[in-house]
Amino acid sequence: AQSVTQLGSHVSVSEGALVLLRCNYSSSVPPYLFWYVQYPNQGLQLLLKYTTGATLVKGINGFEAEFKKSETSFHLTKPSAHMSDAAEYFCAVTPGGGADGLTFGKGTHLIIQP
Amino acid sequence: EPEVTQTPSHQVTQMGQEVILRCVPISNHLYFYWYRQILGQKVEFLVSFYNNEISEKSEIFDDQFSVERPDGSNFTLKIRSTKLEDSAMYFCASSERGKGTQYFGPGTRLLVL
Repeated sequence: AQSVTQLGSHVSVSEGALVLLRCNYSSSVPPYLFWYVQYPNQGLQLLLKYTTGATLVKGINGFEAEFKKSETSFHLTKPSAHMSDAAEYFCAVTPGGGADGLTFGKGTHLIIQP
Repeated sequence: EPEVTQTPSHQVTQMGQEVILRCVPISNHLYFYWYRQILGQKVEFLVSFYNNEISEKSEIFDDQFSVERPDGSNFTLKIRSTKLEDSAMYFCASSERGKGTQYFGPGTRLLVL
């Protein structure tokens, strides 16, 4: 079985500041990892994903995440926050070679202060 | 850009009634999924569907739930006898292949009274 822990249900940063959203996972097999974003009253939009290969992955809107196997982490970062980044962010995992349903974390609500 | 669509956007029903939530996946996708998100909680996997049969289901997906692909475009989730605790946002997703990126629809908010 796999699980995802997102530290911090709410994260507040100033516009222009670094964004860091934390995600730790557990998986008995090599995982596939995802970050999704949910804007108010909308569905889930894929930001980026890691399957195999390069551990630093770049996504849309300037976000990137690094897969660190030794730390079982997949933290999401963006160098400079923009007001439009305010949303709910979900980390998700699925076993690379097994079942295909995604296991989500509880989400982190990102607040951007002007 | 192709997208997953869901209807209705909102559904209110009485406890014990049957509801059918509808989804139109992206046209060339072969794998289909349903998830739910109870208010304030995390998104939970319900079921995946491929080649006209369920490929995986979670513990949540009990006998009151069923899925169907009645034609070449729609993918439905039926709840036979709704309970108060079924109130949630239900998301449909599709992917081109197994382990592929899952694209989510906007969701159907179900309220059971």
